[in-house]
Amino acid sequence: DIQMTQSPSSLSASVGDRVIITCRASQDIRNYLAWFQQKPGKAPKSLIYAASSLQSGVPSKFSGSGSGTDFTLTISSLQPEDFATYYCQQYKSFPPTFGQGTRVEIK
Amino acid sequence: EVQLVESGGDLIQPGGSLRLSCAGSGLTFSKYAMSWVRQAPGKSLEWVSAISAGGANTDYADSVKGRFTISRDNSKNTQYLQMNNLRAEDTAVYYCAKAASSTWYLFDSWGQGTLVTVSS
Repeated sequence: DIQMTQSPSSLSASVGDRVIITCRASQDIRNYLAWFQQKPGKAPKSLIYAASSLQSGVPSKFSGSGSGTDFTLTISSLQPEDFATYYCQQYKSFPPTFGQGTRVEIK
Repeated sequence: EVQLVESGGDLIQPGGSLRLSCAGSGLTFSKYAMSWVRQAPGKSLEWVSAISAGGANTDYADSVKGRFTISRDNSKNTQYLQMNNLRAEDTAVYYCAKAASSTWYLFDSWGQGTLVTVSS
């Protein structure tokens, strides 16, 4: 199975900060990478697919980049509603696998 | 708007069985592959099983193969997960996830989840 490793595992940030979360795959997944946001007690919400394409309705403050094994999710200006846990997921190879998550907390 | 609503979660003893359901609305259900993804308490997400749009093809994670069976009834816009021989490590919130049209394993809509607790 392809292992997905996110860093950091958690971070503290202030409203207005630019936040960058990284995700590394254990082997080349080209751009078959998705990002999800999950708030406590809620279902995951799809943010990005194909490493850099925004899902419909997702604000442009979210952006993704990368290919091969190294990827990033950037939140350009953190807002109160963005405090959540973020997961990456590869869908290049069976089985699909997720990162361990990055918790974004209020500083 | 796509809506996926899971049901069937419960407290069940080890070795027991349970069937989860996921009802879809706001989409042409029969056009999309569907999956179940679970999340143990305080843990990350784990893909469990998938079924093709027509229901003829299925996939399973090694951790559930031989114990879980996925199925769907497109006339009822519903998919199911039959879980047998449940173990403590199956305790999780189980989410229904819709595949994007291009691939089984890219998920673009999720249900709210249903909690399965396996404990004596």
